[in-house]
This record gives sequence, structure tokens and C-alpha cells, in this order.
Amino acid sequence: EVQLVESGGGLVEPGGSLRLSCAASGFTFSTYSMSWVRQVPGRGLEWVSSTTDSGGVTYYADSVKGRFTFSRDNSKNTLYLQMNSLRVEDTAVYYCQRLINGFFDSWGQGALVTVS
Amino acid sequence: EIVLTQSPGTLSVSPGESVTLSCRASQSVDSKYLAWYQQKPGQAPRLLIHAASNRATGLPDRFSGRGSGTDFTLTISRLEPEDFAMYYCQQYGNSPRYSFGQGTKLEFK
Repeated sequence: EVQLVESGGGLVEPGGSLRLSCAASGFTFSTYSMSWVRQVPGRGLEWVSSTTDSGGVTYYADSVKGRFTFSRDNSKNTLYLQMNSLRVEDTAVYYCQRLINGFFDSWGQGALVTVS
Repeated sequence: EIVLTQSPGTLSVSPGESVTLSCRASQSVDSKYLAWYQQKPGQAPRLLIHAASNRATGLPDRFSGRGSGTDFTLTISRLEPEDFAMYYCQQYGNSPRYSFGQGTKLEFK
């Protein structure tokens, strides 16, 4: 069974930094592209970033480009989202997903990031 | 930039009824890259449909997707109590790379 477990969320002041992790299990992690999507509580879904199976190519939404860095450690089956220069509008639940052919087939339970 | 517009915003229906949710794109979307998700309160979204009409593993055939170009629909037949949730469409393209519709809420009448 595919499992994705996010951690690292919390409260941070504007301008601060936070690093989210996503531990993956139940599949051959190194062969899948992965992604992050966020959701402001009570609002819709916003794609944040995606990376290829090797981590060699990464894409970012304009709203986070230059501030967030998405990386992966295939030896640890773990994703990382380093978030710097955080803004109040970055407050959201951050989900990691497995990405297949342009859709997100498995989601973690989410990690809440509050910037205040 | 491709914008997905879902309608209606809220749909009030009763169990046993059938509903059709709409997702309209501002530009043509390759149907291979159109997906639908269901989200219940306090839970992560769950994939329902990918490539416009392919059901996710284990999804009942009460759920069906169709469409092409700029117009896509999700139909749910014989609504069950557990179907009352938010539904989002999503596309994969160039700018932005991935985007979601604003969602349709299915609620009890």
C-alpha cells in the first residue's frame, strides 16, 4: 500500500523558514515523479512544485519560485520542501503526492504550516 | 494560463439521485491530462478519474468522466451518503504546470 507521511509543519513568523518532509513507502520511490500541493484551510487546491524521479528537474509555481526548494533523497525514500522567506499567504496545509502522467494518484495526510 | 472553472459551486441533492459536475477550461486541455478528485472534510483529496474518463482503482462504476477540449464532466449515479463531498478537476499543461478548478460542493438537500 502506498503511504506518504508529511512532517515538519508548524507556526513560523513572516520571513522565517521551515522544512517539510514527506516519507514514502509501499512503492519503488525512485521511479516516480513527486509533487507538493497546498490548500488554504477552507479554500481550494494550489499546485506548489513537482520533481522528476531522479530529482534532476524540478518545477515551481510562480507564487513560490525563488523561495521554496523541492528536493528528494531516494536512498531514504523522502521528499523535502525547504520554505524560505515565508509570507502570511503561504499559510496552508501542504500535501505531498505521487505523480503519474500528469495526475496525483496518492496523497499524504497533509502538514499544516501557519505563518503569523 | 489555463483556468479551470467548475460549476455549479454547490449542488444540493438527495441520495439515490444522479448528478453531473462541470469543469470548463479557458483553453483546450489534452484529455489525457484531465483528472477529478474527491475531498471530504479533514481529509486529503482522493483521485477519482484520470485521463478524463479512466476510473481510479477500486472506484465504483457509479462514477464516470467524459469530455474533451474545454468541456469535461463528472457524473455520479445513484448517490450514496459517502459521495457528499467537494470535487475538484485538475489539468496538467504548461502554464501553470498543474492547476485545479475551484471545486463543486455536493451537499444534502
